[in-house]
Amino acid sequence: SQQGEEDPQALSIQEGENATMNCSYKTSINNLQWYRQNSGRGLVHLILIRSNEREKHSGRLRVTLDTSKKSSSLLITASRAADTASYFCATFPGTGANSKLTFGKGITLSVRP
Amino acid sequence: DTEVTQTPKHLVMGMTNKKSLKCEQHMGHRAMYWYKQKAKKPPELMFVYSYEKLSINESVPSRFSPECPNSSLLNLHLHALQPEDSALYLCASSQWQRETQYFGPGTRLLVL
Repeated sequence: SQQGEEDPQALSIQEGENATMNCSYKTSINNLQWYRQNSGRGLVHLILIRSNEREKHSGRLRVTLDTSKKSSSLLITASRAADTASYFCATFPGTGANSKLTFGKGITLSVRP
Repeated sequence: DTEVTQTPKHLVMGMTNKKSLKCEQHMGHRAMYWYKQKAKKPPELMFVYSYEKLSINESVPSRFSPECPNSSLLNLHLHALQPEDSALYLCASSQWQRETQYFGPGTRLLVL
């Protein structure tokens, strides 16, 4: 079963606007990761945020983590048509010898030129 | 070099064929992964190799057989597949299992 659940499932915005995507999870985590996937291609890692971190930035990307609410958000500022893609959050659990990264269902982002 | 390569890019095979998918990384990563992804779905983990040993098998049918010949290479041997096995097969690697995963472009497999 999916650990991370993204919200909304689909998002359509105008170029230049900000896009905010949310991810909720159920059990304790070691870290949470966001990935992007362009249509039919491999996933690209965006940001990894650890359970003891609250916010990370990378270029136009800002990720927050609230472990008390078991949620994370990904903000893309000044969106571009090239940001059109599917975005996945993935969680790595806090415990377990052979733990694995578990992906949410994904969010489809469309940026209109 | 932060690239994971996968060959072939596309593969069409019959249900009686035997084929192999290949994955390579030269980042010195100690963990390597096979995922299966259906259209509009998230990747589903199949296998994890850690230090060249199989550490996770997600109850994958035996018609899929992974192999890790060395720390840079990962193969997935396919035999007697079913049409429902048609999917995008992704390989990934990471320094250790809990760290950032680097994905290859995938092999799009069609089983007829």
